[in-house]
Amino acid sequence: GENVEQHPSTLSVQEGDSAVIKCTYSDSASNYFPWYKQELGKRPQLIIDIRSNVGEKKDQRIAVTLNKTAKHFSLHITETQPEDSAVYFCAASGAGGSYIPTFGRGTSLIVHP
Amino acid sequence: EAGVTQSPTHLIKTRGQQATLRCSPISGHTSVYWYQQALGLGLQFLLWYDEGEERNRGNFPPRFSGRQFPNYSSELNVNALELEDSALYLCASSFRGSDVQYFGPGTRLTVT
Repeated sequence: GENVEQHPSTLSVQEGDSAVIKCTYSDSASNYFPWYKQELGKRPQLIIDIRSNVGEKKDQRIAVTLNKTAKHFSLHITETQPEDSAVYFCAASGAGGSYIPTFGRGTSLIVHP
Repeated sequence: EAGVTQSPTHLIKTRGQQATLRCSPISGHTSVYWYQQALGLGLQFLLWYDEGEERNRGNFPPRFSGRQFPNYSSELNVNALELEDSALYLCASSFRGSDVQYFGPGTRLTVT
């Protein structure tokens, strides 16, 4: 089955800096890669996603890049703000026609004011 | 538009008891997914229901079961509770044939 590795497990940055979270996946047939943000005590919230026919996608201060050859994708957050502090999860799905995502273990992002 | 809802928010049970968790999907969504989020771990897939049928299950023992009702709401049952079942149980929903999932707030299950 699919395996998703996510790094780093913890990321601490100063307000205004950029943050990058990286994920690798094992099944080259995966074709959908969502990112979720989970604030403490709240539900995971879909913040951006990318499909395998696209190399990059941006939405204001966040962007996701996908390298199908290397089987890795990354989340980029620019001009970080304290409210960006949360746990971020990457996921991969689509291999074998399955809608079931395999999640990474999460990255705890801490933005210091 | 209302999001995915789950009840109860918190549930405290004793080892060996049974727990029932409930989920209502976003209106129009027919697929419901259940996940377990144990402390320090990612989201582990439990069960997928669509159109009232169990479509897939994750690597969990048979004492984890559930069902989906005609209105597409769903119930997760955990029998013979064990201490390690303590976790946040998340429900997500999607349109039929879509891989985009939206999560509910979760039910925090504590087994003592």
